[in-house]
Amino acid sequence: QQQVKQSPQSLIVQKGGISIINCAYENTAFDYFPWYQQFPGKGPALLIAIRPDVSEKKEGRFTISFNKSAKQFSLHIMDSQPGDSATYFCAASNSGYALNFGKGTSLLVTP
Amino acid sequence: GAVVSQHPSWVICKSGTSVKIECRSLDFQATTMFWYRQFPKQSLMLMATSNEGSKATYEQGVEKDKFLINHASLTLSTLTVTSAHPEDSSFYICSAEERETQYFGPGTRLLVL
Repeated sequence: QQQVKQSPQSLIVQKGGISIINCAYENTAFDYFPWYQQFPGKGPALLIAIRPDVSEKKEGRFTISFNKSAKQFSLHIMDSQPGDSATYFCAASNSGYALNFGKGTSLLVTP
Repeated sequence: GAVVSQHPSWVICKSGTSVKIECRSLDFQATTMFWYRQFPKQSLMLMATSNEGSKATYEQGVEKDKFLINHASLTLSTLTVTSAHPEDSSFYICSAEERETQYFGPGTRLLVL
């Protein structure tokens, strides 16, 4: 059973646009929500993460929005660039336990 | 930032042989490391959780006698694929945990002929 549902599966955005990827979870015990970026043939790299005590976290062009009551969180990439083209995974976990990953979103930013 | 390395980055082997993959945390100590498997264009599938000095915990459906995991020190975990077969061909990725954050290695591409 997929504990974290991620959408869309793929996304095409023009350079300079905003990329938005959404995730939903069921387990209310989850207390850690990271986003990873993965390029082909490479391991995932941590982009940004949030805990339920805040509703938003921003790091550079990347923002996580978190809605605890709806059990949803999303990644916003502002001013998207071709170099952002990659696969993005959301995840959720209880602290110290294994991550539950979404199925991933393939982002293509066109010039 | 926390750095995790894997060795080798890719390996080709004959069916029936065993392959060992190393995962190292380079600048921190990791009590817990995780091993994942990833098929093309799919998400990461957790295989096992490795705790230093104790037996690994395997996910349902993962054969512990086929995928041997050893976490002998706080900076090294190894995954040995025993008697590898073509269906074991995949991308294997480890992660190490520091302060409740998982940092991933670059992955190991295994091709079994």
